Amino acid sequence: EVQLVESGGGLIEPGGSLRLSCAVSGFTFSGYEMNWVRQAPGKGLEWVSYISRSGSIMYYANSVKGRFTISRDNAENSLYMQMNSLRAEDTAVYYCARQEGGYYDSWGQGTLVTVSA
Amino acid sequence: EIVLTQSPDFQSVTPKEKVTITCRASQSIGSSLHWYQQKPDQSPKVLIKYVSQSISGVPSRFSGSGSGTDFTLTINSLEAEDAAAYYCHQSSSFPITFGQGTRLEIK
Repeated sequence: EVQLVESGGGLIEPGGSLRLSCAVSGFTFSGYEMNWVRQAPGKGLEWVSYISRSGSIMYYANSVKGRFTISRDNAENSLYMQMNSLRAEDTAVYYCARQEGGYYDSWGQGTLVTVSA
Repeated sequence: EIVLTQSPDFQSVTPKEKVTITCRASQSIGSSLHWYQQKPDQSPKVLIKYVSQSISGVPSRFSGSGSGTDFTLTINSLEAEDAAAYYCHQSSSFPITFGQGTRLEIK
């Protein structure tokens, strides 16, 4: 069974840093491109970042470029998001999503990040 | 950036009704358009891939159509369990974008 489990969310003050993790199981992690997608409370889905199978290619939404860094450890079957200089508008549930071709076929349950003083 | 605009934002519908949700892209995206359903307090789930291709396990009442810039998700014979938010998603180019969502309420 394919499983994606996010962790690392919590309450953080503006300007602070957090590292999110996504532990996967049930499939060959190195064979899939991965993404982070977020959803602010009561709002829609917003794509945040993409990473290639090898980890050599990354893309970011303009809203997080220069502050967030996506990475992966294929040996550990894990995806990461280092989030620095956090702002109130980064408050959201963060999902990791497996990419199959162009669409996202599996999603984690999400981890809530709250940026507030 | 490719902007996806869905309509309507909200619709209240009765069971067995046919529902149509549209998604318009700000530029041509070919067939790189996918649809997701998100029920309250759940993660999104893919319904339709590449405009009209079905997903294993998704009921056949869900279908998609369109090309270029105009796309449609159709739900035939709506059921109570279809109460959810629906999102279109383009994978044609980065940055990846989603439509703003359409919330369906079942009367």
